[in-house]
Amino acid sequence: DTAVSQTPKYLVTQMGNDKSIKCEQNLGHDTMYWYKQDSKKFLKIMFSYNNKELIINETVPNRFSPKSPDKAHLNLHINSLELGDSAVYFCASSLRDLGTQYFGPGTRLLVL
Amino acid sequence: AQKITQTQPGMFVQEKEAVTLDCTYDTSDPSYGLFWYKQPSSGEMIFLIYQGSYDQQNATEGRYSLNFQKARKSANLVISASQLGDSAMYFCAMRGPNTDKLIFGTGTRLQVFP
Repeated sequence: DTAVSQTPKYLVTQMGNDKSIKCEQNLGHDTMYWYKQDSKKFLKIMFSYNNKELIINETVPNRFSPKSPDKAHLNLHINSLELGDSAVYFCASSLRDLGTQYFGPGTRLLVL
Repeated sequence: AQKITQTQPGMFVQEKEAVTLDCTYDTSDPSYGLFWYKQPSSGEMIFLIYQGSYDQQNATEGRYSLNFQKARKSANLVISASQLGDSAMYFCAMRGPNTDKLIFGTGTRLQVFP
């Protein structure tokens, strides 16, 4: 009965590769998010989707492309991975306008 | 612009004692929400407590309470009767009006010792 799940949990890859992270929530929420946590533990929002529509797109390189096939899923595809992309990526979800965001377990990405 | 400040990079507390983790915020909007999250060493982000800017009373959730002082723009987290399992990073976050974006502070690492 996991609320927000992400796969994979760990991702180790070479520079220049393309990779995807998947996120699913079973909370019935209509809004989903991607956050990035850097090596200093600082968390920053990247994207948010509401009912499959992009709502927030922070200044993220266009190598990052979110895709929401339905309101329970929000995937993150990253092209041409760079060393600086190494981080923990968190998916989260909430009901719009009520605010409390529930986070997935995180995906630890290491680019070599 | 909205901003969250956590000035304590690390805190120590003895088991069974209470501890206060500081959080100040800056916003010109009258409507906002304040959140605390816990991140244990295993890495997940766990929602602890929420305070709305219009809430008259301080929020409480079990051993967690939020000391909300609106005039001072502070939203400190108080953990009563600390347990070893409370050792973790704690993040304060704010959400402004008309946006779902959470802005996080830099976190405070709490260590509970026996």
